[in-house]
Amino acid sequence: DSGVTQTPKHLITATGQRVTLRCSPRSGDLSVYWYQQSLDQGLQFLIHYYNGEERAKGNILERFSAQQFPDLHSELNLSSLELGDSALYFCASSASRNNEQFFGPGTRLTVL
Amino acid sequence: AQKITQTQPGMFVQEKEAVTLDCTYDTSDPSYGLFWYKQPSSGEMIFLIYQGSYDQQNATEGRYSLNFQKARKSANLVISASQLGDSAMYFCAMRESVPSGSARQLTFGSGTQLTVLP
Repeated sequence: DSGVTQTPKHLITATGQRVTLRCSPRSGDLSVYWYQQSLDQGLQFLIHYYNGEERAKGNILERFSAQQFPDLHSELNLSSLELGDSALYFCASSASRNNEQFFGPGTRLTVL
Repeated sequence: AQKITQTQPGMFVQEKEAVTLDCTYDTSDPSYGLFWYKQPSSGEMIFLIYQGSYDQQNATEGRYSLNFQKARKSANLVISASQLGDSAMYFCAMRESVPSGSARQLTFGSGTQLTVLP
C-alpha cells in the first residue's frame, strides 16, 4: 500500500458526460501528479500540483482540468468524454520535487 | 527521439534465475533521476528502485539492482532469484531537472512484460 488513495476504483460512463476523479496523497506529501495510461499512448503525464498551485501541464486536453484543495487532496475533472478517454488514471504524490513518486491504485475509466 | 526506450516488449525467465530488463534514455540534462516501477496485472504502480545521475554507486533494493552506465545512457534493472510473483509489467522512467519552481514529472518507457516460469 503506497498510502495514496484514489476513488472511485472503476467508473463507467457515456460519451459526452463529465466525471470527477479524486486523489488523496500520502500524509505530508505536497506534490500531486496525474497520469493517464492508455493502450495506444502508454503512461503520460497530465498535470502537477504543488501545495495547491498548478506547477506544470503535460499532455492534458482542454476538456480536462484539475485542482488541489487546501487539505492537499486533488480532483481531476474530465468533461465531454469521448471513447478515447477510456484509460487508467493514476495519481502520484511525493514529498518534494526531488523525491520518488508513489502511485495510487488508479481509477479505471470506461467511456461507452 | 524517445526519451526512454525499453526494447524488450516481453521477457521470460525461469524461476530462481536472474533477469535483466533493458532501459536506455536520452537527455541533455546533467541532473536527472531514473526509476523503475512494477505494474502487476491488478494495475497498481509499485516503486522499485531509484538512481540519481550523480550517484557514484549502482542502486540496490533487495533483489533489485540497477545497472547504471552513464556514458551509454542505460539503466538496466536486474532482478535476482526471480519469483513467480515477479511476473508483471516493468516500466523505466526518468525525471529531468528543470528550473526551480517547476514540476518534475516522470517520463515513462513503453514497458517490458516479464513472465516468470515455474
